[in-house]
Amino acid sequence: GQNIDQPTEMTATEGAIVQINCTYQTSGFNGLFWYQQHAGEAPTFLSYNVLDGLEEKGRFSSFLSRSKGYSYLLLKELQMKDSASYLCAVRDSNYQLIWGAGTKLIIKP
Amino acid sequence: GAVVSQHPSWVICKSGTSVKIECRSLDFQATTMFWYRQFPKQSLMLMATSNEGSKATYEQGVEKDKFLINHASLTLSTLTVTSAHPEDSSFYICSASSGGLRGDSPLHFGNGTRLTVT
Repeated sequence: GQNIDQPTEMTATEGAIVQINCTYQTSGFNGLFWYQQHAGEAPTFLSYNVLDGLEEKGRFSSFLSRSKGYSYLLLKELQMKDSASYLCAVRDSNYQLIWGAGTKLIIKP
Repeated sequence: GAVVSQHPSWVICKSGTSVKIECRSLDFQATTMFWYRQFPKQSLMLMATSNEGSKATYEQGVEKDKFLINHASLTLSTLTVTSAHPEDSSFYICSASSGGLRGDSPLHFGNGTRLTVT
């Protein structure tokens, strides 16, 4: 079966750095996405990785290792507004998106 | 760009009635749209894939006669929850990709519809 694992919840301090991990086992791979979802709202697109390595976009970076079936989302200089759920999703060989359950990130002052 | 609009944002209805949710791609054409539902503290669950001009493809376990999908144009898909029951109360979200099914094309989501059936 297809599976995506990410921690259920993480806590970090304002101004700090946090890394949210995602491991996946899917039938084929056509890219990995990270989305941010605030409570009661729809997800918004953060990043896309298809090749190994690090993609940096402002305070957010995303890393991919296809051989390990592993990705992480790195958030720097955390702000209170970063409190949200972060969803990892993999596009499989049929171009279907397989979603993780999301990681709830709590930022404390 | 790539804005998806969903309406209504929330709706409360009585058990046994039907509710229609609209999803529009505002600045791009979407031959394919996706309908998700999400229960509290759970992940997104794909319900069906809506295809313009043809029948929707439903995921296993989703009743196609209960969740009617119509994709009559390249910018509009509708989901009708028929004979709603309290267990249908959920957060329904539509999405579309401005780049079709291209691998690197992300999904853009509507703002979601919170349905409460009393």
